[in-house]
Amino acid sequence: SQQGEEDPQALSIQEGENATMNCSYKTSINNLQWYRQNSGRGLVHLILIRSNEREKHSGRLRVTLDTSKKSSSLLITASRAADTASYFCATGAGGADGLTFGKGTHLIIQP
Amino acid sequence: DAGVIQSPRHEVTEMGQEVTLRCKPISGHDYLFWYRQTMMRGLELLIYFNNNVPIDDSGMPEDRFSAKMPNASFSTLKIQPSEPRDSAVYFCASKGGGGTGELFFGEGSRLTVL
Repeated sequence: SQQGEEDPQALSIQEGENATMNCSYKTSINNLQWYRQNSGRGLVHLILIRSNEREKHSGRLRVTLDTSKKSSSLLITASRAADTASYFCATGAGGADGLTFGKGTHLIIQP
Repeated sequence: DAGVIQSPRHEVTEMGQEVTLRCKPISGHDYLFWYRQTMMRGLELLIYFNNNVPIDDSGMPEDRFSAKMPNASFSTLKIQPSEPRDSAVYFCASKGGGGTGELFFGEGSRLTVL
């Protein structure tokens, strides 16, 4: 079963606006990661937040983590057409080395 | 570094045929993962290796699927015999043991079984 579930499944906004995607998960985690996938391509790592962190920034990306609610959010500020892609959260739990991915949010940035 | 390299990028085959997908991880990475992506099920972890040894193959759907890693720079995922429901994009990913847990993905192999 999927560990992470992204919300919304699809999001369409105008260029320049901010995009927010959410992720919920079910079990205890060591860290949570966000990945981007452009159409027909492999996944690319964006940012990792550890279970003892609450917020992290990287360029136009801001990630929050609330372990009490088992949820995370990814904010992309000042969106660009090139941000059009699917975004996935992935969790690593316990001693497991593999990541469990959600089904993703498909983000479309309208020019 | 060239990144994770997968081949073939596209494969179309007929039901019952053997399919072999190949992966070359990033040099120095000691973990290798095989994932399958479909619209219905999303990304599923099939199997992963650490130092060429299979650690967890609980995600391999059936005995028709097998994976090997004969050395640190090469892995194969084999499906024999293939079925239409195996149609998916298969990703290989690798990571370093001392890293942060970030996975580096290849571009995927899109398999269509007719």
